[in-house]
Amino acid sequence: EVQLVQSGAEVKKPGDSLRISCQASGYSFAGSWITWVRQMPGKGLEWVGRIDPSDSYTSYSYSPSFRGRVIISSDNSISTAYLQWNSLQASDTGMYYCARHDNINAYRYLQYWGQGTLVTVSS
Amino acid sequence: QSVLTQPPSVSAAPGQKVTISCSGSSSNIGNNYVSWYQQLTGTAPKVLIYDNDKRPSGIPDRFSGSKSGTSATLGITGLQTGDEADYFCGTWDSSVSAWVFGGGTKLTVL
Repeated sequence: EVQLVQSGAEVKKPGDSLRISCQASGYSFAGSWITWVRQMPGKGLEWVGRIDPSDSYTSYSYSPSFRGRVIISSDNSISTAYLQWNSLQASDTGMYYCARHDNINAYRYLQYWGQGTLVTVSS
Repeated sequence: QSVLTQPPSVSAAPGQKVTISCSGSSSNIGNNYVSWYQQLTGTAPKVLIYDNDKRPSGIPDRFSGSKSGTSATLGITGLQTGDEADYFCGTWDSSVSAWVFGGGTKLTVL
């Protein structure tokens, strides 16, 4: 059974750094892209970016809205993807989901989703 | 402002049918697969439809999808109160190499 298990809720102050995680199981981690999605309170889904764990050093991309603000990485040895901020802002508050792309054609759909990690940034 | 356009809300009575539209462009819906996601209150999104019109195992055939040109439609028949949720369309956008979503549609079963 494919599962994506995300790290727990975080409460941080503006300027803090943070890394949240998404641990995969039930499939070959390197075989499928992982995407991160933000959902601000009461709002829709926003694509943050994605990584191809089979080539994590070069195969990644970000939404223009998030480029330069977050870093997506992975550690294949523990089947885990990460979303990282070096300096949080209050506007980063939201629920963050990881999702696995279809393993046959990454452009088809987001097949499996994590349970979400709530990030709250407040002074 | 979302790249894909959905109506903010739809409503219908139990047992009735409803459709939710999703409008895009040639760089996204027009040349890529569309998928639909259901998000029940307080839960993660779940895929309902993929490849424009396919249902994952376990999704009842009350849910259907279609695509024509640069638009897609989600249909739900035999509405149940448990179908109350937010519904999002999504696809890859080839011009910006990014996944894009619709703004979401809130379904109310009256």
